[in-house]
Amino acid sequence: NAGVMQNPRHLVRRRGQEARLRCSPMKGHSHVYWYRQLPEEGLKFMVYLQKENIIDESGMPKERFSAEFPKEGPSILRIQQVVRGDSAAYFCASSQIGTTHEQYFGPGTRLTVT
Amino acid sequence: AQSVTQPDIHITVSEGASLELRCNYSYGATPYLFWYVQSPGQGLQLLLKYFSGDTLVQGIKGFEAEFKRSQSSFNLRKPSVHWSDAAEYFCAVGAPQGGGNKLTFGTGTQLKVEL
Repeated sequence: NAGVMQNPRHLVRRRGQEARLRCSPMKGHSHVYWYRQLPEEGLKFMVYLQKENIIDESGMPKERFSAEFPKEGPSILRIQQVVRGDSAAYFCASSQIGTTHEQYFGPGTRLTVT
Repeated sequence: AQSVTQPDIHITVSEGASLELRCNYSYGATPYLFWYVQSPGQGLQLLLKYFSGDTLVQGIKGFEAEFKRSQSSFNLRKPSVHWSDAAEYFCAVGAPQGGGNKLTFGTGTQLKVEL
């Protein structure tokens, strides 16, 4: 049973480019969460999605960041016009219906903005 | 809103010694509580969780944690540490009511194991 999958594992972007991070939840999981980990800090919640719905985006920056979880395919976290401060590890987690707080994490995507 | 404090940024223990990592939370009722471990360059692995019931919970890799409501704490323990336990440990809290489904994490405790 494959765990949460994220790709790419490492992503380098120049300032002003776009970054697309992908997350495939565990089999049987229909809830996806994105968290960001800045250097020397804990994880900070960004957004919670179900298929075709954004449920809670209270942790998302107001500009340049968007997320989706389409009916088919992985969840995508998109960062437009990246800046150096976006450099961080981005983790995706998934959970089942009914146990939404029991979240299982992927290996993360480490974004470096040069 | 819920919050989590891990007062120890770094802890060093000798292999074979006992370990206790501290975690204090702030939440108006009984929260959901979790401990995760993160090895360098890796994702987070769930060690154990507390939702309700018995306040002493057993997890994987020989870890346990005790929920103490009076102290708002959920400390992680292991009787005998192995060198492979060196990693960063995160305590997290979820809010059963009103907090949505997000987890709030502490800033982590980096564990070093001396051989």
